[in-house]
Amino acid sequence: RKEVEQDPGPFNVPEGATVAFNCTYSNSASQSFFWYRQDCRKEPKLLMSVYSSGNEDGRFTAQLNRASQYISLLIRDSKLSDSATYLCVASNSGNTPLVFGKGTRLSVIA
Amino acid sequence: GAVVSQHPSRVICKSGTSVKIECRSLDFQATTMFWYRQFPKQSLMLMATSNEGSKATYEQGVEKDKFLINHASLTLSTLTVTSAHPEDSSFYICSAALAGYGNEQFFGPGTRLTVL
Repeated sequence: RKEVEQDPGPFNVPEGATVAFNCTYSNSASQSFFWYRQDCRKEPKLLMSVYSSGNEDGRFTAQLNRASQYISLLIRDSKLSDSATYLCVASNSGNTPLVFGKGTRLSVIA
Repeated sequence: GAVVSQHPSRVICKSGTSVKIECRSLDFQATTMFWYRQFPKQSLMLMATSNEGSKATYEQGVEKDKFLINHASLTLSTLTVTSAHPEDSSFYICSAALAGYGNEQFFGPGTRLTVL
């Protein structure tokens, strides 16, 4: 079983749509969680950290459910520029490597 | 924000040659850097953890004699792919963690290796 599993995608949505991505992690010792965005043939870039209380950054909302070991990302009012692969990431605390999900591809269509 | 550079960004080489990839933290010191590899349509897979002044820690299935890692200073880690073969063709990405930033890691731009 993979440590971090995500919706396989791809998600093809029209501009302005709301889209949600789900992710589960298997390591209960994971302490830190993130969503990264990766554009084609580029390195991943941090989109947002995920906190237990849930957090919002503009059109993006992230949720964490530790009991269910579940993470989500909600994107409202999708823009063409949101088209990318979204990576769910878990990590133990401290200077430890990140564990990436396979990623979910999003295509926002005009 | 913290900046990590990688060099070269792209390399094409013949089978059997060795390729060195450099990863530098430009505006901070990184005692630990990580090397990942990403095959097409796959997730990033950790290859090894590079610690300044000590031997790297390799993930299971990654040959330490084939993927040589040197972390000689707090701002530079190198990955050398020795005797590269076509199956080593991949996107190699390094990252560095910045203390006090909530375990956030900063990624280099990646190196695309193509072995003919």
